[in-house]
Amino acid sequence: KNEVEQSPQNLTAQEGEFITINCSYSVGISALHWLQQHPGGGIVSLFMLSSGKKKHGRLIATINIQEKHSSLHITASHPRDSAVYICAVRSGGAQKLVFGQGTRLTINP
Amino acid sequence: NAGVTQTPKFQVLKTGQSMTLQCAQDMNHEYMSWYRQDPGMGLRLIHYSVGAGITDQGEVPNGYNVSRSTTEDFPLRLLSAAPSQTSVYFCASSYDRATEAFFGQGTRLTVV
Repeated sequence: KNEVEQSPQNLTAQEGEFITINCSYSVGISALHWLQQHPGGGIVSLFMLSSGKKKHGRLIATINIQEKHSSLHITASHPRDSAVYICAVRSGGAQKLVFGQGTRLTINP
Repeated sequence: NAGVTQTPKFQVLKTGQSMTLQCAQDMNHEYMSWYRQDPGMGLRLIHYSVGAGITDQGEVPNGYNVSRSTTEDFPLRLLSAAPSQTSVYFCASSYDRATEAFFGQGTRLTVV
């Protein structure tokens, strides 16, 4: 079992829909990252959080430390949100990030 | 600021050839790392560095060398390329392990 599991692996939705991507992890962590990767493109950091909730524009990230679970929400989704969204965690004293396999999101106009 | 710059963006190598993937950052970050991304798998750590002169191995270090002679640069060397090293490689940096990570644009490497 991977230390970081994302669901769903693939998600297709219509423009305007509310999107939720989930991330579950099995280790104690010091921080969780949400990243975005456009096709053929680089990786961009969206959020880094260790508790509670963060919001940036139409994106919201939440984390529940007790349940070892995080969600990434996109409100009023748009075709430009189409990308792979990656969850990564850094455990307690570790130097490295452990990555989920990513969720491929496609928003159709 | 340029952020994290990787070169080249694309490379084709023949089996047995050697090459160096370049990574430079201009944010004075101490932490730098190299990952490879393969279909169906999450990014996996190859090597990392916590400061100039200090490097360590990640999950999949075999076939790769690194050095960190300056804070800015963290090159990844493939000693003798193999088809199993066909992948997309990402360099990342952060101020320390508790802060946001910045990624380069990636290098798509094909070994034939």
